Amino acid sequence: DADVTQTPRNRITKTGKRIMLECSQTKGHDRMYWYRQDPGLGLRLIYYSFDVKDINKGEISDGYSVSRQAQAKFSLSLESAIPNQTALYFCATSAPDTGGDQPQHFGDGTRLSIL
Amino acid sequence: SQKIEQNSEALNIQEGKTATLTCNYTNYSPAYLQWYRQDPGRGPVFLLLIRENEKEKRKERLKVTFDTTLKQSLFHITASQPADSATYLCAQGSSASKIIFGSGTRLSIRP
Repeated sequence: DADVTQTPRNRITKTGKRIMLECSQTKGHDRMYWYRQDPGLGLRLIYYSFDVKDINKGEISDGYSVSRQAQAKFSLSLESAIPNQTALYFCATSAPDTGGDQPQHFGDGTRLSIL
Repeated sequence: SQKIEQNSEALNIQEGKTATLTCNYTNYSPAYLQWYRQDPGRGPVFLLLIRENEKEKRKERLKVTFDTTLKQSLFHITASQPADSATYLCAQGSSASKIIFGSGTRLSIRP
């Protein structure tokens, strides 16, 4: 079984719809992250959480919200989807790090298309 | 702001040759650099981490260097194989305990 599981793997929806992407992990890590990946732009951080009671905005949080339901679960919501949110979304986890000394462990992504 | 750059052009090389990918960083001196591999339709997979006081790190056919003077890391794959074809991402630690990723370089190894 995968250590970091994202659902759904693919989603097509319409502008204005509310969408939730889910992530669960069996790594036992406290830290969880949501990224989006667009061609030529690389991975950009949307939100991150260092423990269940901690939620932080990343560089592109506008239009998104998150919920950390448990240590193992971190969900990303698009309250009212718009076409420029069409992208590949990744969830990741890591152990506590100091300046990047811990690797991140990624799920296989959700391909989201908004028409 | 912190920035990390990789050559966005694809790199195509002959099987058996050494592939060399470049990662440059600006506006921040990271203590660590990380390299990941990403296959189509999959999430990035961690390969190697190098610390600023390490000039070179090796793992099987992979070698990473970290030049703090040039603000650059090089990623080498020796005796390359078609199975090494993928996109390779460089990442740096930031001052806020986050990782900043480059946009990746696509590597193609032709038989």
